[in-house]
Amino acid sequence: DTGVSQNPRHKITKRGQNVTFRCDPISEHNRLYWYRQTLGQGPEFLTYFQNEAQLEKSRLLSDRFSAERPKGSFSTLEIQRTEQGDSAMYLCASSPWGPSGLTDTQYFGPGTRLTVL
Amino acid sequence: AQSVTQPDIHITVSEGASLELRCNYSYGATPYLFWYVQSPGQGLQLLLKYFSGDTLVQGIKGFEAEFKRSQSSFNLRKPSVHWSDAAEYFCAVGGPNFGNEKLTFGTGTRLTIIP
Repeated sequence: DTGVSQNPRHKITKRGQNVTFRCDPISEHNRLYWYRQTLGQGPEFLTYFQNEAQLEKSRLLSDRFSAERPKGSFSTLEIQRTEQGDSAMYLCASSPWGPSGLTDTQYFGPGTRLTVL
Repeated sequence: AQSVTQPDIHITVSEGASLELRCNYSYGATPYLFWYVQSPGQGLQLLLKYFSGDTLVQGIKGFEAEFKRSQSSFNLRKPSVHWSDAAEYFCAVGGPNFGNEKLTFGTGTRLTIIP
């Protein structure tokens, strides 16, 4: 178990540029989540996948944001036309999901810190 | 809608002293409750969780938490803190009614340890 990994760990970009983050979940976990954490706040849910299907998106996820998990393994989160308000830590988490329909604990990666200048 | 309140933004404790961090939740049914810890610039590490059963749960690093349904609380405790416990602590709620997909976090409590 190597844990959830995220790349890059830090990203500095200029306003208006596009950025993409990658998340590799724990290998046997079929649920994957994205959260955003701004300074002084707790993480806020953005979206989650079960295998390759994106099952829910938060209202925080504007049209400039898109997430994919094409083969049910790693996931990418893309932000187009970045704004200064997008500056935050983007956290990825994964969890197993069993036939009972109930998910278990979410395990978090180290996050990607985005700074938009 | 589910919500979590952590009333203490910042707590300072002497090394070796006991600790209690408060967490109150709002949830329409039996919740799943979690405490996570975050060191500066790092992701979240799970300390402990409550799904059902015994209301006093033990976690890693000597932490424990007690679920009190009547008070809608899930306070985190440690009998004797170590300097390495300095970090940000987050309480979170999820639950079977919502499939636990969407964890709702509190705003966190920053813990400072003084020698």
